[in-house]
Amino acid sequence: AQSVTQPDIHITVSEGASLELRCNYSYGATPYLFWYVQSPGQGLQLLLKYFSGDTLVQGIKGFEAEFKRSQSSFNLRKPSVHWSDAAEYFCAVGATNAGKSTFGDGTTLTVKP
Amino acid sequence: KAGVTQTPRYLIKTRGQQVTLSCSPISGHRSVSWYQQTPGQGLQFLFEYFSETQRNKGNFPGRFSGRQFSNSRSEMNVSTLELGDSALYLCASSLSIGPNVLTFGAGSRLTVL
Repeated sequence: AQSVTQPDIHITVSEGASLELRCNYSYGATPYLFWYVQSPGQGLQLLLKYFSGDTLVQGIKGFEAEFKRSQSSFNLRKPSVHWSDAAEYFCAVGATNAGKSTFGDGTTLTVKP
Repeated sequence: KAGVTQTPRYLIKTRGQQVTLSCSPISGHRSVSWYQQTPGQGLQFLFEYFSETQRNKGNFPGRFSGRQFSNSRSEMNVSTLELGDSALYLCASSLSIGPNVLTFGAGSRLTVL
């Protein structure tokens, strides 16, 4: 069975500082990996995805993520955080049927002025 | 291009009642998935529909059911509501089954009293 672990429940960074959110997955085959962001009271918005190819993927809002098969990780990074990035971030792994994605428990990001 | 539309956005029910939630996917999307989001359990997969057929089902009791219509719109129903059914119910659509990106609606917030 596939699973996703986001070790950090809550992260606080200062505006302008760099950010890395961790994600580890468990899946028997090549995973399809996603990062989503959720603002309060809203649905999830896709930040980026990895299906195959280049292991460093670029997403929206200046985010990027690196797929490391040897570490079963797909960490999300941003070089300079903006106050508007405060939200909850979810890592997900999708199987053959994308609708049945498995999500991590999420990491809540707080941005200090 | 209109996004995924979920109605109603908010609703309050009492224990024992039933509720029906509606989801209109993005035009051209044929797959619809439903998730339950709660603070304690996170995002949990309910079911996925494609071409009016349920393709995958999560680990929820039979009180939770759904269907998809020929225009790809979907409904989910929860009968005999329990307090623990209070949650944000998220619908997501994708072009088809397979490793596609999920586009989420804003959700239906159900409160059971």
